[in-house]
Amino acid sequence: NAGVMQNPRHLVRRRGQEARLRCSPMKGHSHVYWYRQLPEEGLKFMVYLQKENIIDESGMPKERFSAEFPKEGPSILRIQQVVRGDSAAYFCASSPALNTEAFFGQGTRLTVV
Amino acid sequence: GIQVEQSPPDLILQEGANSTLRCNFSDSVNNLQWFHQNPWGQLINLFYIPSGTKQNGRLSATTVATERYSLLYISSSQTTDSGVYFCAVGNFGNEKLTFGTGTRLTIIP
Repeated sequence: NAGVMQNPRHLVRRRGQEARLRCSPMKGHSHVYWYRQLPEEGLKFMVYLQKENIIDESGMPKERFSAEFPKEGPSILRIQQVVRGDSAAYFCASSPALNTEAFFGQGTRLTVV
Repeated sequence: GIQVEQSPPDLILQEGANSTLRCNFSDSVNNLQWFHQNPWGQLINLFYIPSGTKQNGRLSATTVATERYSLLYISSSQTTDSGVYFCAVGNFGNEKLTFGTGTRLTIIP
């Protein structure tokens, strides 16, 4: 059973470009979460999704950030018009049901130059 | 929202030593996990332990939910134990995990 798969592992974008981060949850997991880790800090919740629904986006910045988890395919975290402050590690997690153990992917390290 | 505090923030030990890491949280929880973030940045699940005691090899964990704390014990430390240990909690009606700021463990050969 493959773990949570994220790609790309590393992404470099120039200021103003778009970044697309992908996450395939573990098989049988329908709950997906995105977290952001700034350098030397803990992980901060961004958004929680189930198939085709955003359940909680209280941690998402109001502008430029969006997330989706379509019926088919991976979950996507999209950052438009990236700025230097978006440089961080973005982790995706999945769980099989509510209030169960969450498993994390290896993260995507975004660098904005 | 729920607050999570971890102590100590940094810990430097000789190989073979034992250690105890603590996680305090400010509200009732129905989810508590311990993770190890290795030097390559990968998050590794250690324990899912909203209550009770679990052991896995040299590692064990105890959560006393009524007193709002959890402890992670590492015995006979090895250099591969180095990294940052995070505690993360979730409470009722709130599916997200709130992470503590971590304990950075350095094991010296």
